[in-house]
Amino acid sequence: NAGVTQTPKFRVLKTGQSMTLLCAQDMNHEYMYWYRQDPGMGLRLIHYSVGEGTTAKGEVPDGYNVSRLKKQNFLLGLESAAPSQTSVYFCASSRPVRGSPLHFGNGTRLTVT
Amino acid sequence: KNEVEQSPQNLTAQEGEFITINCSYSVGISALHWLQQHPGGGIVSLFMLSSGKKKHGRLIATINIQEKHSSLHITASHPRDSAVYICAVLFTGNQFYFGTGTSLTVIP
Repeated sequence: NAGVTQTPKFRVLKTGQSMTLLCAQDMNHEYMYWYRQDPGMGLRLIHYSVGEGTTAKGEVPDGYNVSRLKKQNFLLGLESAAPSQTSVYFCASSRPVRGSPLHFGNGTRLTVT
Repeated sequence: KNEVEQSPQNLTAQEGEFITINCSYSVGISALHWLQQHPGGGIVSLFMLSSGKKKHGRLIATINIQEKHSSLHITASHPRDSAVYICAVLFTGNQFYFGTGTSLTVIP
């Protein structure tokens, strides 16, 4: 059972470079989320999607874009990376039932120098 | 304002001790989850609560809706329980808000 798979696991970028983080889930979940985790702070929602072709902004969306072209995939893009985007990024998915458990990927550790 | 506070921030216990981690939130909620983040980084959901109490093995989670407070208890703690425990709260919208986590270390 793969669950939620994130790639890559680690990445180092220089300021101004771009990259895409890929999240794939095999549980047929409608809802998918991208969070960032920073020291001393709780997980914060960047963007989320409630279904294929739909996305919405979360708490900290600036500097990120997302796409959900296929139900199983949710992509997070950084067009011009900044040191403030150094973080651990987690993708999660859930069923479309209010309060359903979140299923997390193993995270991507991104460093922007 | 949707706020979630956890205490303590760090906790060290001897193997076998009873452990309590607390979560308080600011306004009424729809649901509360307790999550466990392993040292390797993976996050798993332990419990979902909207009222009362749930038990799974040595883990017990309680919630008091009136006091806006939840606790996670670990009985007979073991070194393998060492992890970060995170409280996640669903307020009126569809967005979860997370506590900053409690880092638990259980010493043999």
